[in-house]
Amino acid sequence: NAGVTQTPKFRILKIGQSMTLQCAQDMNHNYMYWYRQDPGMGLKLIYYSVGAGITDKGEVPNGYNVSRSTTEDFPLRLELAAPSQTSVYFCASRFDRDQPQHFGDGTRLSIL
Amino acid sequence: DQQVKQNSPSLSVQEGRISILNCDYTNSMFDYFLWYKKYPAEGPTFLISISSIKDKNEDGRFTVFLNKSAKHLSLHIVPSQPGDSAVYFCAARLRGQAGTALIFGKGTTLSVSS
Repeated sequence: NAGVTQTPKFRILKIGQSMTLQCAQDMNHNYMYWYRQDPGMGLKLIYYSVGAGITDKGEVPNGYNVSRSTTEDFPLRLELAAPSQTSVYFCASRFDRDQPQHFGDGTRLSIL
Repeated sequence: DQQVKQNSPSLSVQEGRISILNCDYTNSMFDYFLWYKKYPAEGPTFLISISSIKDKNEDGRFTVFLNKSAKHLSLHIVPSQPGDSAVYFCAARLRGQAGTALIFGKGTTLSVSS
């Protein structure tokens, strides 16, 4: 049981480049989330999804896009990378509202 | 304005002693609280939770206490072990929000020395 898998683990981007952070879960979870964690800070919600085809903005959505075409996958897209998006990105999922979230191991992204 | 606050960035404890990690919150609409543990280069791992209708929940060496009137919760680890050394995040969930995620504190780094 792989749980929540994030790829890549590390990436360096140049300003203005785009990329997609991948997140997949094999637990048949309905809810999926993207967070970012800046140094010395807690996790902040970027986007979330309550099921395939349904997504919504979190606290810090600007500069990001998501899609949820399947239950398993929840990719996060950066269209025009900016230095302020340098962070560690975590994907999480849970089966229903009363279950704790399971996290992936994160993607460390640097934008130079 | 942080809704979930962990005011101690770090805590050092000797092996075998009690570790007490604290968390304060400001929003009375939180109905569920969780503690996560995070090792370097890994994602947070769920540790223990408590509903707002309870004041204590215990799981092995870990106990969480909730004081709603003070808007304060704490995580007790007894006895502390070197493997407990990690960053601990307090998180809270808003009542009635079907899909909303958790609101996290900034974390407390626990160091347990042998």
